[in-house]
Parts: sequence; structure tokens; C-alpha cells
Amino acid sequence: QKEVEQNSGPLSVPEGAIASLNCTYSDRGSQSFFWYRQYSGKSPELIMFIYSNGDKEDGRFTAQLNKASQYVSLLIRDSQPSDSATYLCAVISNFGNEKLTFGTGTRLTIIP
Amino acid sequence: KAGVTQTPRYLIKTRGQQVTLSCSPISGHRSVSWYQQTPGQGLQFLFEYFSETQRNKGNFPGRFSGRQFSNSRSEMNVSTLELGDSALYLCASSAQQGMPTEAFFGQGTRLTVV
Repeated sequence: QKEVEQNSGPLSVPEGAIASLNCTYSDRGSQSFFWYRQYSGKSPELIMFIYSNGDKEDGRFTAQLNKASQYVSLLIRDSQPSDSATYLCAVISNFGNEKLTFGTGTRLTIIP
Repeated sequence: KAGVTQTPRYLIKTRGQQVTLSCSPISGHRSVSWYQQTPGQGLQFLFEYFSETQRNKGNFPGRFSGRQFSNSRSEMNVSTLELGDSALYLCASSAQQGMPTEAFFGQGTRLTVV
């Protein structure tokens, strides 16, 4: 079982709709959860991070964390063509280090 | 505020050679981590340095090594290059120890081994 799993996609969403990206993790003791966006040929860009159960909103983005079910999700409201990218879920298992364990990413395409 | 700077951006090396990559973190950041990204394996953790000490290491052979200087700049070295070492090498910096904080990536060094 991979430590962090994501559906590789591609996920196609019409412009203006809500894109929902999901991620599950295997280490129940994981503490911190991050979503990165990566455009083709570019480096990952941090979008959201979440530490506590529940929802965290930032503009059009909402991260949701459910530690009991070991999943974290990212919702993108009012999807724009510029949101088309690969979205990487990353987890830090322990406080005291900065090792990020990444999922393989979900490729999102927003259809105009 | 300047971001994470990696040099060089591109490298072409021959099998058996060695290579050194450099990373300057965001000013004030003391943690530097290195990752390898390939199409087949995705992003994989290499190692992390904090205050000149390696704090964490991933599952890579000993040919991969790194160090951090007193100004937090870091270098990673790959010796005896293999074709499979061709990848995008990414450096990430973050501010503090203890509570994990956001890591910001540099633009990466694309290494091609021929």
C-alpha cells in the first residue's frame, strides 16, 4: 500500500464547476497535510495546508481533513482554465522533521 | 523576498561522472530538503538538512549525498551517475523545526545523464 494515494486522473471539470480532488494516507499518526499545484515543466507551488480536522478555506480553495478516515481533499470552486495542472497531496508524518511524502498527483483539466 | 534559488537549471552529464547541485533557501529559512522527481516514481524525498545537520534521509543509495552550510545554503552531490538518475531535482526550504511549516520549492535542476 502506498503511503499517500491519489487518483491519477485525468479529471475533467467544466469551467465554473467545482473540482474535487481526493487523497488518502496510510500513516494514522500523520500530522500535517499539504496541497501543491504543479504546472507542466514547473516546480510544485503550495496552495493549502491543513493540520486540524475540518475545513479550511482560502479564496476559491477549500481543504478538508478527516483524520479518522485518513483522507484529505481539495475543492476548487468556480474552476478556471488556469487551474488546469497536476495537484499533489503531501503529508508530514512527524513533528520535528520536514519530510514530505507525496502522492503521485491528480491531473486536472478545466474545460472552457 | 527572494524565493528558493537552485543552480544550475539544466545539466547534461555522462554516465560515471559526478554532479553537484546547489540550493539557496529563502532568507531566514533553516530547513532545506531535496527531492527527486521522475515521471515513473513521482516526487521522492532524498534528505533534509537543518542547521548543517542531516535530519532525515530517504531511501536512496549512498551515491546521493548532501550538506548544508552555516548560511543555510545546501548542496547535493551524486557520484557515479547512472542513466536512471536523470530527473528533476527539487529543493524546498521551510522556516522552522518542531511544528512543520510550509515548504517552498525552487525551480529545480533538470539533470540528464547520457
